[in-house]
Amino acid sequence: KAGVTQTPRYLIKTRGQQVTLSCSPISGHRSVSWYQQTPGQGLQFLFEYFSETQRNKGNFPGRFSGRQFSNSRSEMNVSTLELGDSALYLCASSSSGSKGDTQYFGPGTRLTVL
Amino acid sequence: QKEVEQNSGPLSVPEGAIASLNCTYSDRVSQSFFWYRQYSGKSPELIMSIYSNGDKEDGRFTAQLNKASQYVSLLIRDSQPSDSATYLCAVNRSGGYQKVTFGIGTKLQVIP
Repeated sequence: KAGVTQTPRYLIKTRGQQVTLSCSPISGHRSVSWYQQTPGQGLQFLFEYFSETQRNKGNFPGRFSGRQFSNSRSEMNVSTLELGDSALYLCASSSSGSKGDTQYFGPGTRLTVL
Repeated sequence: QKEVEQNSGPLSVPEGAIASLNCTYSDRVSQSFFWYRQYSGKSPELIMSIYSNGDKEDGRFTAQLNKASQYVSLLIRDSQPSDSATYLCAVNRSGGYQKVTFGIGTKLQVIP
């Protein structure tokens, strides 16, 4: 079974631009969660989608948004990029997203904002 | 107070020794607990999950959970240099769907 894939793997943007990241979950998985990882803050939860609906959201500003398609693929968008948005963005998929469900991580997208 | 606390390390142990990694959490009603390993430049991979008080063993790894003390630990027996990585403690809060909170991670260095 193919793992979680994320595209692109690396991205360089400038302040004020916007960016869209993509995540394809493991086949059959319907829950996709997004995380931001920085050296100082660690892994922080952004949001979780299940069947095209956002079920949970972390404490991030509205510049961070996402969506999920009917095939469970998910995208996240960051508008008006700031220097502090430079991070590794990870998505994780699980079969149902219920507590205790195992999450499998993709390789991540490394975003650098200049 | 952070929801999930870990000592960032580094924790250095000699090859063959037992590495003990600790984690505390603040939400008393948390129900699912996970340990992930993350090599430098890679994404986290699940090592262990534990849901009930007590010990859970898988090969060289033992997870320990004490809900009364709000404490989770991971023991790595016969530590190998290949175990050198950052170990992330994660807690899934009660109330239904996935909203996993991660600790900052403990960097483990196994010295040959």
